[in-house]
Amino acid sequence: AQTVTQSQPEMSVQEAETVTLSCTYDTSESDYYLFWYKQPPSRQMILVIRQEAYKQQNATENRFSVNFQKAAKSFSLKISDSQLGDAAMYFCAYRTGTSGTYKYIFGTGTRLKVLA
Amino acid sequence: NAGVTQTPKFQVLKTGQSMTLQCAQDMNHNSMYWYRQDPGMGLRLIYYSASEGTTDKGEVPNGYNVSRLNKREFSLRLESAAPSQTSVYFCASSDIAAGAQPQHFGDGTRLSIL
Repeated sequence: AQTVTQSQPEMSVQEAETVTLSCTYDTSESDYYLFWYKQPPSRQMILVIRQEAYKQQNATENRFSVNFQKAAKSFSLKISDSQLGDAAMYFCAYRTGTSGTYKYIFGTGTRLKVLA
Repeated sequence: NAGVTQTPKFQVLKTGQSMTLQCAQDMNHNSMYWYRQDPGMGLRLIYYSASEGTTDKGEVPNGYNVSRLNKREFSLRLESAAPSQTSVYFCASSDIAAGAQPQHFGDGTRLSIL
């Protein structure tokens, strides 16, 4: 069975600095998708970025980028120029399953604190 | 743009009471999911419905039942609530089209069982 591990329960970063959140996963599948979600105190789950496993190029969305290393089964999230609004729980997720029966497996989350 | 709507947002129950959490999506998604979120444990899948008319157990199904009423609606029922079911519950939906289809989440229901 697939598993997702986020080994950093909590991270801190100074405003305007860069921080990297780690995520590793275990799978025997060759084709899959990975996601990072942000959960602010409002409790909403907000999609931050997504990555297709068959793409070697790392995904980027403005200040957010990933370092996807398929062989190492690693999918870290880099936040550049951190802002106070980036403070939240961040969840890494893996999508498994065949077409029509997708399941998403989540890590336990990393709480990011942004220091002014 | 309503997306995924969950009701209620908050609920307090006594042990042994029953309750149904409602979820509806307006994105014409085929797949719907129920998760629970507990501190330090991330989101754990309770049940999911790949398409209208089908439901399957997830990681933590004990004590819960679900109904996929139609394509839009997917409800979660606690028949006899227990304190261990105190949690935040999220409903989500997703498209089955090819590609990196993310899940879309409701705002969650905070459920406390005394």
